[in-house]
Amino acid sequence: AQTVTQSQPEMSVQEAETVTLSCTYDTSENNYYLFWYKQPPSRQMILVIRQEAYKQQNATENRFSVNFQKAAKSFSLKISDSQLGDTAMYFCAFMKDFGNEKLTFGTGTRLTIIP
Amino acid sequence: EPEVTQTPSHQVTQMGQEVILRCVPISNHLYFYWYRQILGQKVEFLVSFYNNEISEKSEIFDDQFSVERPDGSNFTLKIRSTKLEDSAMYFCASSEATGQGRNTIYFGEGSWLTVV
Repeated sequence: AQTVTQSQPEMSVQEAETVTLSCTYDTSENNYYLFWYKQPPSRQMILVIRQEAYKQQNATENRFSVNFQKAAKSFSLKISDSQLGDTAMYFCAFMKDFGNEKLTFGTGTRLTIIP
Repeated sequence: EPEVTQTPSHQVTQMGQEVILRCVPISNHLYFYWYRQILGQKVEFLVSFYNNEISEKSEIFDDQFSVERPDGSNFTLKIRSTKLEDSAMYFCASSEATGQGRNTIYFGEGSWLTVV
């Protein structure tokens, strides 16, 4: 079974600064997908970024980028030029690469952007 | 941008009552899911549904739960006899069957269920 670990329950950073959220996972699979989802106070789950394990290039989406280290089973999220709207719970999630498998989530990191 | 829609956004029900949560997945998606998030906890998988049948379910998804796709657009989760511990946010989600969007799951805004 897959496990996802987010070791930082809470983080805070000043607006416009850069912050990195950590995620590690454990799996015996070789092909899989990793995701970061954002959950603002409205509690909606919003996809932030996705990484295919077979791609060596780290995914980027505007101010959001990941540092994917497959050998270390690490998948961190970097938020550059942080904005007040980035305040949310961030969940790391894992999915096996076969059909449409379920997501396994970490426990989340609560990120607060300080004005 | 297409989105998953859920109703109701919030429901309060008495213990023992039946509840139906409704979802309209993204129109070209063929895989559907329900997830649950108890307040303050992580999101947990309940069930996945494809081709009009359950493809996988978790230990949480016991006999009191059922899912259905009654027509071409809706996807429902029924809880037959609610318990206090069923109080949670329930997320519907969907994904494409093929192509680049495969393996990316899009979530609705959630239905917050309170059992009293």
